[in-house]
Amino acid sequence: GAVVSQHPSWVICKSGTSVKIECRSLDFQATTMFWYRQFPKQSLMLMATSNEGSKATYEQGVEKDKFLINHASLTLSTLTVTSAHPEDSSFYICSVPSRYEQYFGPGTRLTVT
Amino acid sequence: DAKTTQPNSMESNEEEPVHLPCNHSTISGTDYIHWYRQLPSQGPEYVIHGLTSNVNNRMASLAIAEDRKSSTLILHRATLRDAAVYYCILRPRGSGGYQKVTFGTGTKLQVIP
Repeated sequence: GAVVSQHPSWVICKSGTSVKIECRSLDFQATTMFWYRQFPKQSLMLMATSNEGSKATYEQGVEKDKFLINHASLTLSTLTVTSAHPEDSSFYICSVPSRYEQYFGPGTRLTVT
Repeated sequence: DAKTTQPNSMESNEEEPVHLPCNHSTISGTDYIHWYRQLPSQGPEYVIHGLTSNVNNRMASLAIAEDRKSSTLILHRATLRDAAVYYCILRPRGSGGYQKVTFGTGTKLQVIP
């Protein structure tokens, strides 16, 4: 099956700074990738759909200017959390869909101090 | 999105079978039933999926009700490594499988030694 990697696996940043999270599809080309966010003891919440070569589609309530998504190639999507605040601290997970299943990355733990 | 309902938590003794139920009464004819599980601090991993017929793989079995309004994930012999949150989700068929998927609350399975 496809392997999805994320980098970094964890990051600590200061309030007001920006953080970039990478998601790579290692086994096949992905025109679409999904970004999820998960708070402690909660389920995954879909944030946005990343589309190669075009703008991302954001879910209702997710600020597109705060969570910048770039899908520059068929194997890489990046999520940049701009002007991060403590409430942005969460577990961010990307996912690459295939015809039969979705492959998930290992997640990135973001802590904003 | 068609929604799924699962018990918040379940317990099982080690080496005994576990039956994890899921209700999806508003499922459409083109929705596949997927099960994923998430270990602590990791991304979800695929377990099994089906459409109408019962399915078996090396990890588990999936029993689907005749009316497709419910399904049951069966772990034949629970091990400590099976302790995780199990998510039952509906994945629409079509568009190459790249339609977005939303997660419900899932069932936290505790395996007792």
